[in-house]
Amino acid sequence: GAVVSQHPSRVICKSGTSVKIECRSLDFQATTMFWYRQFPKQSLMLMATSNEGSKATYEQGVEKDKFLINHASLTLSTLTVTSAHPEDSSFYICSARALAGRQFFGPGTRLTVL
Amino acid sequence: GENVEQHPSTLSVQEGDSAVIKCTYSDSASNYFPWYKQELGKRPQLIIDIRSNVGEKKDQRIAVTLNKTAKHFSLHITETQPEDSAVYFCAASGSGGGADGLTFGKGTHLIIQP
Repeated sequence: GAVVSQHPSRVICKSGTSVKIECRSLDFQATTMFWYRQFPKQSLMLMATSNEGSKATYEQGVEKDKFLINHASLTLSTLTVTSAHPEDSSFYICSARALAGRQFFGPGTRLTVL
Repeated sequence: GENVEQHPSTLSVQEGDSAVIKCTYSDSASNYFPWYKQELGKRPQLIIDIRSNVGEKKDQRIAVTLNKTAKHFSLHITETQPEDSAVYFCAASGSGGGADGLTFGKGTHLIIQP
């Protein structure tokens, strides 16, 4: 149980384009999902909290207009990186809150912006 | 906000020996402390967690201890095996229900020497 999928696993795009990443909880419903970013050889940094049916909550320093989050259902949250630039290249990982509040992570999306 | 410090950054032990990783946190309101194992290029996997109403928890070769007064928590791995080699992250959140996002330590690269 508590399986989280993420799509796509890898994206290479040109500077200025937008990229959408999907996060799905496959065998449970998640009213709360989280988006993290991980640069090479670094830790995970929380970007935002995604709540089903309401606006996302962003961490300090994360631009909400650049990282659009939509939590349209109890099993799906999407992150759209708008007008991506090379400095946005990173490993984006979502997590979903399951029973007892435990967070289970998706496999991550490696974004490379040329 | 919460700040989590993790030590050491790298830990090399002989196969069969024990490994201990230590973390401290700053926010006395934090009450949920998970540990994740991450292999290169893969998702973090929850290996054990502890809540602030418990001082110690064990699951086979893995144990976690929590000293809420000192704001310390530690991961103990006994009888280490080669497959234990990975990066381990401690984390803290302000809600025992996991409604808050996680603040991660910087990680410990555990190397098991055969």
